[in-house]
Amino acid sequence: NAGVTQTPKFRVLKTGQSMTLLCAQDMNHEYMYWYRQDPGMGLRLIHYSVGEGTTAKGEVPDGYNVSRLKKQNFLLGLESAAPSQTSVYFCASSYRTSGSYEQYFGPGTRLTVT
Amino acid sequence: DQQVKQNSPSLSVQEGRISILNCDYTNSMFDYFLWYKKYPAEGPTFLISISSIKDKNEDGRFTVFLNKSAKHLSLHIVPSQPGDSAVYFCAAGFWDYGGSQGNLIFGKGTKLSVKP
Repeated sequence: NAGVTQTPKFRVLKTGQSMTLLCAQDMNHEYMYWYRQDPGMGLRLIHYSVGEGTTAKGEVPDGYNVSRLKKQNFLLGLESAAPSQTSVYFCASSYRTSGSYEQYFGPGTRLTVT
Repeated sequence: DQQVKQNSPSLSVQEGRISILNCDYTNSMFDYFLWYKKYPAEGPTFLISISSIKDKNEDGRFTVFLNKSAKHLSLHIVPSQPGDSAVYFCAAGFWDYGGSQGNLIFGKGTKLSVKP
């Protein structure tokens, strides 16, 4: 099992460019999440999904869009990148079971917007 | 408003001694607490958790204590090893959250350095 994988690992964008980050999990998890981590800020939830075809906003959703067309994939899109979106992005997944909160994280994507 | 707070950005401990990482929370609805460990250039990995119905949970060298009345939890690592040097995140969640079941709120992290 690969667990949670993220593509790409690194990316440099210019302001205004767009890109899509791909997250894939092979654990048959219902829930998937996108976080960003900034120095001194911990992990902040951008968007999440409780199942195929459903998405919802997290704490910091502005400037991002997501899609969950397949259960195993969760895409994060930046339509017009801004320097404030320079960050490390983590995808995570978890079971949909009451009392089970453990989330499994991918290795991260480091994005720089110049 | 931070619901989960880790007030110590960093902690330095000698190898073999005890490391104590602290976490405070404000939302009394949290019913599950987790600690994650993160090495540079890697994703966070789950370390240990505790349900609000317990006050202690042990897993090898790692013990988490929960004081609900004080809204405080701590992670004890005994004995500390150089390989424990990492950033530790405290996280909390509750299940019946208006559809956001399973969402976690993370603290800002504490960087632990264990010196040989």
